Amino acid sequence: GAGVSQSPSNKVTEKGKDVELRCDPISGHTALYWYRQRLGQGLEFLIYFQGNSAPDKSGLPSDRFSAERTGESVSTLTIQRTQQEDSAVYLCASSRNPTSSLLEQYFGPGTRLTVT
Amino acid sequence: GDSVTQMEGPVTLSEEAFLTINCTYTATGYPSLFWYVQYPGEGLQLLLKATKADDKGSNKGFEATYRKETTSFHLEKGSVQVSDSAVYFCALSSGGTSYGKLTFGQGTILTVHP
Repeated sequence: GAGVSQSPSNKVTEKGKDVELRCDPISGHTALYWYRQRLGQGLEFLIYFQGNSAPDKSGLPSDRFSAERTGESVSTLTIQRTQQEDSAVYLCASSRNPTSSLLEQYFGPGTRLTVT
Repeated sequence: GDSVTQMEGPVTLSEEAFLTINCTYTATGYPSLFWYVQYPGEGLQLLLKATKADDKGSNKGFEATYRKETTSFHLEKGSVQVSDSAVYFCALSSGGTSYGKLTFGQGTILTVHP
């Protein structure tokens, strides 16, 4: 079956513009996560959606960042008024049942965002 | 808060050498521990996991043992291959209200030469 897909794969934008990144999770996965990977660094958690529960937004770095998810399907991460420090690879992951101790997350290929 | 510290890389080895990548963590409660691997040009994928103290995760010849007393989860392989060249990430999930959220180490680049 299809894995997690993300689009676009690459995005170059000018400082100050808004960008929208998309994630299609694996069908049937109730949980969806966004992470950011800056060059040479580990992944930073951004936001977590689980079913119809309120999302965990504790990792969003500023109010310029927001994300939405409709039901258990597609999610969109929006960055407003982009800054150069927003340049990173944005990774999306999904999992079947986060209340299980197995907790395996399946990652998408990422969107490489470059802010010029 | 939760944190994961990995040994700094890059690590360069010859084929068939022994590999250890150190990982220590700080977390509340009893976290689950993971190693993820990112091969060149590919997405991040789970390598192995352990969910409670003294559990040993293993896959593709790699092993890691959950050591609560030393808060460690070191990755080992007895004989590395060129195909093991990748970036390795140690991660944890604390569970509870943060269930699902992974905290990652900074990653260790491994290069294996023939």
